[in-house]
Amino acid sequence: ETGVTQSPTHLIKTRGQQVTLRCSSQSGHNTVSWYQQALGQGPQFIFQYYREEENGRGNFPPRFSGLQFPNYSSELNVNALELDDSALYLCASSPKRMNTEAFFGQGTRLTVV
Amino acid sequence: AQTVTQSQPEMSVQEAETVTLSCTYDTSENNYYLFWYKQPPSRQMILVIRQEAYKQQNATENRFSVNFQKAAKSFSLKISDSQLGDTAMYFCAFMKGNNAGNMLTFGGGTRLMVKP
Repeated sequence: ETGVTQSPTHLIKTRGQQVTLRCSSQSGHNTVSWYQQALGQGPQFIFQYYREEENGRGNFPPRFSGLQFPNYSSELNVNALELDDSALYLCASSPKRMNTEAFFGQGTRLTVV
Repeated sequence: AQTVTQSQPEMSVQEAETVTLSCTYDTSENNYYLFWYKQPPSRQMILVIRQEAYKQQNATENRFSVNFQKAAKSFSLKISDSQLGDTAMYFCAFMKGNNAGNMLTFGGGTRLMVKP
């Protein structure tokens, strides 16, 4: 166990809806990154938050947004869900921005129907 | 942009034998890190081994070792004395070393099956 917890573990949403995924980072970690892992593929970087500010972003549209709270937990929000958003969403926390020490949660499996 | 390629979608090995997983990458960076991650059915990504590009010595972690060929942009993982618990997806990953919004770029993965 890494101490990074994600909720919920699974959920099903309808196309066009909005979803919020949550990540509780490991104690002492101020950096959180989010990844999307489509079935049968490697994870793709969505964005990273460091001390409550976005610190880097991958090639994802603006309907993917996030927040980091003062306790360094984080949310990933996806608006106007599309079928292709169905994936495993992974959260990783690090004790610093240079995340060679990234610790991953077990992910949230999102299915869009 | 960086790319990471794993050319072996699936591999199998007998328990106690040795297996090598391949990874190649493309980058114009000179300072970077390379990783191998394991993803068992529990879905949690677990760091197996890490290599700093500026280090010529290949990293080792118990039964796991890498063959890092910087000029060839190759980074293979060798698993010795394979165990049933090594059955998992393995991902090779790249990260720039500039300490600014770092992200991991993953390959497509190799599914490893260890057979009894």
